[in-house]
Amino acid sequence: NAGVTQTPKFQVLKTGQSMTLQCAQDMNHNSMYWYRQDPGMGLRLIYYSASEGTTDKGEVPNGYNVSRLNKREFSLRLESAAPSQTSVYFCASSARGTENTGELFFGEGSRLTVL
Amino acid sequence: KNQVEQSPQSLIILEGKNCTLQCNYTVSPFSNLRWYKQDTGRGPVSLTIMTFSENTKSNGRYTATLDADTKQSSLHITASQLSDSASYICVVSEGGATNKLIFGTGTLLAVQP
Repeated sequence: NAGVTQTPKFQVLKTGQSMTLQCAQDMNHNSMYWYRQDPGMGLRLIYYSASEGTTDKGEVPNGYNVSRLNKREFSLRLESAAPSQTSVYFCASSARGTENTGELFFGEGSRLTVL
Repeated sequence: KNQVEQSPQSLIILEGKNCTLQCNYTVSPFSNLRWYKQDTGRGPVSLTIMTFSENTKSNGRYTATLDADTKQSSLHITASQLSDSASYICVVSEGGATNKLIFGTGTLLAVQP
């Protein structure tokens, strides 16, 4: 049982390049989330999808787009990467509809460096 | 502004000793409080989730307490092991219309042999 799987684990980009972080969960969860974790700061919500077919902005959505491809998969896209987007990105899922009602299960993280 | 503050920032203890990590919050309205363990280079893993009516909750050698009146929580680790070395993150859930989680910055615990 893999849980939440993120790819890639590491990525280095140049400013202006684009890339997509992939996330898949095998727990049949309805809700999925993307967070970023920066030194000295708590995790911050970028985007979430309460259910298949819906997506909503979180606390820090600027510079990102998301796609809920199906119930299992939720991708995060950086269209034009900036050094401020250097961070560790975590995907999470929960059985219920909002992040504060259900237990969150996190992936292992994707470490992104933008030069 | 709703905030979650954790102390200490970092802590070093010897294997076998106990320790207590603190979490103070100003989040209102309050829905629940969670503790997560995050190993270096890994994602956070849930230890406990407590609603405001729960004072104490245990998960093996981890015991979380909650005082909703003073808006304080603690995580007590008993008989520490080397594998307890990690960051421990306190997370408070806002109630009401916002339905969001507010993450603390974590306490980095190092257990030494």
